[in-house]
Amino acid sequence: NAGVMQNPRHLVRRRGQEARLRCSPMKGHSHVYWYRQLPEEGLKFMVYLQKENIIDESGMPKERFSAEFPKEGPSILRIQQVVRGDSAAYFCASSAGVMNTEAFFGQGTRLTVV
Amino acid sequence: GENVEQHPSTLSVQEGDSAVIKCTYSDSASNYFPWYKQELGKGPQLIIDIRSNVGEKKDQRIAVTLNKTAKHFSLHITETQPEDSAVYFCAASIRGSQGNLIFGKGTKLSVKP
Repeated sequence: NAGVMQNPRHLVRRRGQEARLRCSPMKGHSHVYWYRQLPEEGLKFMVYLQKENIIDESGMPKERFSAEFPKEGPSILRIQQVVRGDSAAYFCASSAGVMNTEAFFGQGTRLTVV
Repeated sequence: GENVEQHPSTLSVQEGDSAVIKCTYSDSASNYFPWYKQELGKGPQLIIDIRSNVGEKKDQRIAVTLNKTAKHFSLHITETQPEDSAVYFCAASIRGSQGNLIFGKGTKLSVKP
């Protein structure tokens, strides 16, 4: 049973370009969460999705950021017109259910904006 | 909203000694408290968790205690080994939050051989 798979592991984008981060949850998990981690910081919640639905996006910036979890395929975190401040590690986690079930994290995508 | 404070930010111990990391939370509605270990360049790995209906939980060399009245919980690692060196994060989740976790800022543990 493969764990949470994220790709790419490293992504370099120039300012103004778009970044697409992918996350395939663990088999049998239908709940996906995206977190952002700045250097020397803890993880900050961004968005929580179930298949085809955004459940909670209270941690996601209102502009330039979007997320989806289609019926088929991985969850995608999309950042448009990236800026230097978007440079961070983005982690995806998945769980089998809500209400405090264990969440398992992927290896993360390290985004560098140059 | 919920706020989680974690101390210390760095901790250095000799191999074989115990290590204790403490966290406090602000929202009394929080009822799930996981601990994650993060090694350099990797994602956080769940190592132990505790729910608010339990005061203590142990798994081999790792134990977690929870004091609901004081709103704090602690991670205890006994007989530390060099491979325990990593950054440890505590987190809290609020009933009804549908799973999103609020993390502490982490503790960098160094175990010297």
